[in-house]
Amino acid sequence: QKEVEQNSGPLSVPEGAIASLNCTYSDRVSQSFFWYRQYSGKSPELIMSIYSNGDKEDGRFTAQLNKASQYVSLLIRDSQPSDSATYLCAVIFTGNQFYFGTGTSLTVIP
Amino acid sequence: EPEVTQTPSHQVTQMGQEVILRCVPISNHLYFYWYRQILGQKVEFLVSFYNNEISEKSEIFDDQFSVERPDGSNFTLKIRSTKLEDSAMYFCASLLDPLADTQYFGPGTRLTVL
Repeated sequence: QKEVEQNSGPLSVPEGAIASLNCTYSDRVSQSFFWYRQYSGKSPELIMSIYSNGDKEDGRFTAQLNKASQYVSLLIRDSQPSDSATYLCAVIFTGNQFYFGTGTSLTVIP
Repeated sequence: EPEVTQTPSHQVTQMGQEVILRCVPISNHLYFYWYRQILGQKVEFLVSFYNNEISEKSEIFDDQFSVERPDGSNFTLKIRSTKLEDSAMYFCASLLDPLADTQYFGPGTRLTVL
């Protein structure tokens, strides 16, 4: 069974704080991991992809992957109110089929 | 910047009617996908399409669904006899190379079945 699990939230952080979003997945052989942001009523928008263990940084965003623990996270530094959205974790298990988690709702409080 | 486009943005239909949702993927992309998202639920994979044929499909993609790339630019999803539970956002996505790229999503078509 291919599963991608996320806490649905809501997660609230004050402006300027670090937001930490977590995701676990069921299949150890997965190789490709993605974080998408989705505003209400809009399509998913890619934030980052990560393929290797460790950290990957892009501006205020850092993705962390631990394949042994089947865990991928997203840190958002200096959170802004415009970061308020639902964050979707997506995993490719085999082929090129994306499996999405249910998403974590983030609210950044000014 | 190139983008995936979808039409219409909102489609309302009666139960039992056929609908066709249209997508124009990014022009040099080779892999095409349809997803759906029922309100308040997760994004669910429906089907992937490469080299003019279906490469993968989910359990949701049953005989009432079909996909087609009728020309060099459009990618369509047909639902033959719509049911109430088909009401959802339908997203098209495209991809150049699954080993080195990620999927770019269109803005979606909201399908409402009455």
